[in-house]
Amino acid sequence: QKEVEQNSGPLSVPEGAIASLNCTYSDRGSQSFFWYRQYSGKSPELIMFIYSNGDKEDGRFTAQLNKASQYVSLLIRDSQPSDSATYLCAVEGGNEKLTFGTGTRLTIIP
Amino acid sequence: GAVVSQHPSRVICKSGTSVKIECRSLDFQATTMFWYRQFPKQSLMLMATSNEGSKATYEQGVEKDKFLINHASLTLSTLTVTSAHPEDSSFYICSARDEGEAFFGQGTRLTVV
Repeated sequence: QKEVEQNSGPLSVPEGAIASLNCTYSDRGSQSFFWYRQYSGKSPELIMFIYSNGDKEDGRFTAQLNKASQYVSLLIRDSQPSDSATYLCAVEGGNEKLTFGTGTRLTIIP
Repeated sequence: GAVVSQHPSRVICKSGTSVKIECRSLDFQATTMFWYRQFPKQSLMLMATSNEGSKATYEQGVEKDKFLINHASLTLSTLTVTSAHPEDSSFYICSARDEGEAFFGQGTRLTVV
């Protein structure tokens, strides 16, 4: 069974600090990795995706992928109260199906 | 970016009745759409893959006769929850891929009373 694991949190981070979100996956054949943000009662919205080992930066967000360790992370710099949400890690195994982690609830403290 | 529109956003129905949820890709064609279900404080669980012009593929444990999926065109997939029961109350979300990126509908909050 393909699994995606995330720490459910809640993770509390002071405003302006760096929030670090982690995700591990079990399927070594996974090809693509996504981070979604989900506000309560809303659908997920894509923050970033990453395919290759290493770092990928987009504004305040940096995704990090280590396929050997089967680990993907998301860093949020200069955290803002509006970043408070549940962050979902999703992994694609090559058939367009996404397997989601349970999500990490992030709270930014003003 | 691409837009996926889902309707209705919220529905309350009586136990035993059926509810239809629509998912449309507004500015792209989607031969494949995905239907997810999310219970409170849980992640999205894939229910089925909707394939245009052919039968849907259901995930293990999902009753195909209860959750009817029709994908009659390249821009529309529907999910019908038949003979709904209170335990079917959940947040249903559809998704479609465009150029590798997954876009989600707004979700449908179903409450069965």
